[in-house]
Amino acid sequence: TQLLEQSPQFLSIQEGENLTVYCNSSSVFSSLQWYRQEPGEGPVLLVTVVTGGEVKKLKRLTFQFGDARKDSSLHITAAQPGDTGLYLCAGVDAPYNQGGKLIFGQGTELSVKP
Amino acid sequence: EAQVTQNPRYLITVTGKKLTVTCSQNMNHEYMSWYRQDPGLGLRQIYYSMNVEVTDKGDVPEGYKVSRKEKRNFPLILESPSPNQTSLYFCASSLRRAGRSSNEQFFGPGTRLTVL
Repeated sequence: TQLLEQSPQFLSIQEGENLTVYCNSSSVFSSLQWYRQEPGEGPVLLVTVVTGGEVKKLKRLTFQFGDARKDSSLHITAAQPGDTGLYLCAGVDAPYNQGGKLIFGQGTELSVKP
Repeated sequence: EAQVTQNPRYLITVTGKKLTVTCSQNMNHEYMSWYRQDPGLGLRQIYYSMNVEVTDKGDVPEGYKVSRKEKRNFPLILESPSPNQTSLYFCASSLRRAGRSSNEQFFGPGTRLTVL
């Protein structure tokens, strides 16, 4: 069974601080997705990384896929209260057209205080 | 508006009383899936469907059934609910484009189920 270990599980910081969330596995994934979930809603896709070593930026969020495609990180610069939420990483174990599915990490609950 | 809808959003029931959670998407997606979300465990896949009349077990299928008679609908059935099925349930859908390594999954708003 493939597992994705996400850390930390909880993070409480002050507005303006930087933070990094890690997503690690012993398995190789064909791609990795990051989702954000707000209370009372379903997860919403932030980004997909496909190539080993790939870095994608979304405003103050930087996503990186490890060279070996086994791990990923999400870095937030100058966090704001609006960044508060549950962040989930999800690995795709095979291309979708070959029946691949998402395997989710446990999630990181981020709270950014004003 | 493109969306995945689930009903009901909240449900409290008793052990053994059959229930169905409906899921519908208006994006003409081939792939649909059910997940349950529990604290500290993330999202775990219950069942998925690659297309109409094609369903398969996910990681935690015990105690659940699904059907896919139409492309847009993917109901989740609990024939005899038990307290360990108390959870937050999400339906999701996505396209399956050949040659793509992944596609975005669109999630419904969730159904919070309590089994007493």
